[in-house]
Amino acid sequence: GENVEQHPSTLSVQEGDSAVIKCTYSDSASNYFPWYKQELGKGPQLIIDIRSNVGEKKDQRIAVTLNKTAKHFSLHITETQPEDSAVYFCAASRSDYKLSFGAGTTVTVRA
Amino acid sequence: NAGVTQTPKFRVLKTGQSMTLLCAQDMNHEYMYWYRQDPGMGLRLIHYSVGEGTTAKGEVPDGYNVSRLKKQNFLLGLESAAPSQTSVYFCASSPQGWEQFFGPGTRLTVL
Repeated sequence: GENVEQHPSTLSVQEGDSAVIKCTYSDSASNYFPWYKQELGKGPQLIIDIRSNVGEKKDQRIAVTLNKTAKHFSLHITETQPEDSAVYFCAASRSDYKLSFGAGTTVTVRA
Repeated sequence: NAGVTQTPKFRVLKTGQSMTLLCAQDMNHEYMYWYRQDPGMGLRLIHYSVGEGTTAKGEVPDGYNVSRLKKQNFLLGLESAAPSQTSVYFCASSPQGWEQFFGPGTRLTVL
């Protein structure tokens, strides 16, 4: 099955700085790559996703990049704010619509 | 529009007891999923359904059963609970199998 590795496991940034989380996947047939944000005591929430036919996607302060050749994708958060503090998960899926998740990154934004 | 709801929010079982977790969605989504979340391991797919009356195994199905008799409901059953099933359980639904919308979770402890 698909194996998704996520780094780093924890990330502490100063408010206003950028945060980058990286994931690699093993199955070259994977074609959908979402990112989820999970706040304490809540379920994961989709924040951005990218399909394999696109190299980059942006949504305000959040961007995702995909390198199919190297089988890795990254989440970039610019101008971080305290409300960005959460656990972030990457995931990958083939056309069978089953997501394989990374282990998560705990992001702390220091005021 | 309540989205995805899960019942109960918390439960404590003794080893060998049985229980059913209920997931309900009011978005008319075809796909529904059950995941478990354990520290440091991300989310792992237990079972999923691609439509009313259908179920399929995910990554970690052993010890669990599911049913989807109605489109809006997806039930997860534990016939004989074991301490290894102590976890947080999340249900999700999706209109077409890509973007998944998660419920708030059920925290289950098996003593």
